[in-house]
Amino acid sequence: AQSVTQPDIHITVSEGASLELRCNYSYGATPYLFWYVQSPGQGLQLLLKYFSGDTLVQGIKGFEAEFKRSQSSFNLRKPSVHWSDAAEYFCAVGRVIQGAQKLVFGQGTRLTINP
Amino acid sequence: DGGITQSPKYLFRKEGQNVTLSCEQNLNHDAMYWYRQDPGQGLRLIYYSQIVNDFQKGDIAEGYSVSREKKESFPLTVTSAQKNPTAFYLCASSILWQANYGYTFGSGTRLTVV
Repeated sequence: AQSVTQPDIHITVSEGASLELRCNYSYGATPYLFWYVQSPGQGLQLLLKYFSGDTLVQGIKGFEAEFKRSQSSFNLRKPSVHWSDAAEYFCAVGRVIQGAQKLVFGQGTRLTINP
Repeated sequence: DGGITQSPKYLFRKEGQNVTLSCEQNLNHDAMYWYRQDPGQGLRLIYYSQIVNDFQKGDIAEGYSVSREKKESFPLTVTSAQKNPTAFYLCASSILWQANYGYTFGSGTRLTVV
């Protein structure tokens, strides 16, 4: 069965510092991997996704993620965070079952930014 | 602009009442989903539908019901059988047979039992 683990429930970084959010997945085949961001009281917005090809993928808002098959990881990074990046971040792994895409989400990592 | 509209944004339910959460999309997506979000538990799938007049149970379907009479609409009813309904509910949609597409989400409905 698919599963996703985000080891860090809460991370605090200073504005301008670099950021890495961890994501480990369990899936037997080639995974389809996603990172979403959620502002308080809002829905989720897609940051980036990986399904094949270059293992370093670029997303919106200056985020990138690297797929490492040997480590079953898909960590999210940003070189310099802004106060507006404070939010909750979800990693997800997906597959298609009878036509419908089904995503399994991690528990989320809440990011706090210190001024 | 295309998107998903969830209403209401906030909903209060008395004990023993059924309530219905609305989800409408104009993206022409075939698949629609309902997720429940609780603090520290991520998102859990309640129901999903791939086509009109058909839907499948997710991981936590007990105490919930859905219908899919139109492609654009996928309402969720939280019944009195759901013992702990207070949560944030998210509706999403996607296209079929595209594992790399991901979901488009609505902005959510926060349900509180009073």
